[in-house]
Amino acid sequence: EAGVAQSPRYKIIEKRQSVAFWCNPISGHATLYWYQQILGQGPKLLIQFQNNGVVDDSQLPKDRFSAERLKGVDSTLKIQPAKLEDSAVYLCASSLGNTGGEFGKYFGAGTRLSVL
Amino acid sequence: SQKIEQNSEALNIQEGKTATLTCNYTNYSPAYLQWYRQDPGRGPVFLLLIRENEKEKRKERLKVTFDTTLKQSLFHITASQPADSATYLCALDMGSTLGRLYFGRGTQLTVWP
Repeated sequence: EAGVAQSPRYKIIEKRQSVAFWCNPISGHATLYWYQQILGQGPKLLIQFQNNGVVDDSQLPKDRFSAERLKGVDSTLKIQPAKLEDSAVYLCASSLGNTGGEFGKYFGAGTRLSVL
Repeated sequence: SQKIEQNSEALNIQEGKTATLTCNYTNYSPAYLQWYRQDPGRGPVFLLLIRENEKEKRKERLKVTFDTTLKQSLFHITASQPADSATYLCALDMGSTLGRLYFGRGTQLTVWP
């Protein structure tokens, strides 16, 4: 079974530029998450999709971050414009369960973003 | 808001010993508590899940306990091996329909030969 795929693996940009990350979840997983992991910290949820609908974006900085999940499969996360504090690893995860925490989440390798 | 503390940033033990990692939380007990392993440059890997009404869960050399009175979970790796060296994250789910996980900062475990 293929895992969660993410690209690119690394990205270096200057502040105020824009950047996009792509995620392909495990086949059949209805729930998709984007997490931000700052060095030395645990992942923090940015947005959660159920199929192609957003169910939780309360921690997404909507003035600069946006995300979509077309057709309920692949997803993209965009930052525009980027700030220095956005430097982090952006992790995509998917889960078999529709809701609730009784299913483990499966993470991709992440995209490491450096904003200079 | 929920605060999660993992006992220490780093834990060093000798091969063959049992590693014990601690996860403490404040406020409300979660409906589910999950443990993940994370290697450098990789995403977290799901290991075990324990429910609030369960005291203990085992999987091969791994054991998780959950004490809602102490607001604490312990994660044990028995007969530890150098390959167990990684950062271990605990994550809490408060039981909402959203299934949002709150992660701790992690404990970096090093098992030396």
